[in-house]
Amino acid sequence: DTAVSQTPKYLVTQMGNDKSIKCEQNLGHDTMYWYKQDSKKFLKIMFSYNNKELIINETVPNRFSPKSPDKAHLNLHINSLELGDSAVYFCASSLTGTPLKAFFGQGTRLTVV
Amino acid sequence: SQQGEEDPQALSIQEGENATMNCSYKTSINNLQWYRQNSGRGLVHLILIRSNEREKHSGRLRVTLDTSKKSSSLLITASRAADTASYFCATFKQTGANNLFFGTGTRLTVIP
Repeated sequence: DTAVSQTPKYLVTQMGNDKSIKCEQNLGHDTMYWYKQDSKKFLKIMFSYNNKELIINETVPNRFSPKSPDKAHLNLHINSLELGDSAVYFCASSLTGTPLKAFFGQGTRLTVV
Repeated sequence: SQQGEEDPQALSIQEGENATMNCSYKTSINNLQWYRQNSGRGLVHLILIRSNEREKHSGRLRVTLDTSKKSSSLLITASRAADTASYFCATFKQTGANNLFFGTGTRLTVIP
């Protein structure tokens, strides 16, 4: 009965590979997000996706692309992985509008070697 | 940038003491929220305060908001070892993006 679930929890891969992280929410929310948390615990918004509208943080490289097959899923695809992509990636969801309380997944620790 | 900033970055107290964490932000907001993150886990929503509110309570949590100073504080009273975690403030302003912008976090350690 997990509200927001991400898989895998850990992902170790080599530079240059392409990988995906899956996210599903069963809360009936209409907006989903991806956040990146670096080694200093700094949380940065990468994408938000609502009603087929994707809003991208302009600092996110275009190697990162979210894909939403339906309202309950927002998967993160990463092409040509780089060492600097190593971080913990969090999926979250919410209902549109105020107060916009977010529910987070458990995170995926990505290590690029 | 809407990014918030917490201080202190780290706080260590004895069980039973009160813990106070502060958050400053840069732009106008609709609301401010506090989240908790246990080590290796996702963030969990704790409490939300709207921009027209000055103080809010929830159990052992007390949040204040001063929009003129663009700052908020989170007080945890009678702390417990289980309160050990990182605490983040997050600001929300209703724009096209509808995103939460998180601060840098305070790492709280409660010593039994």
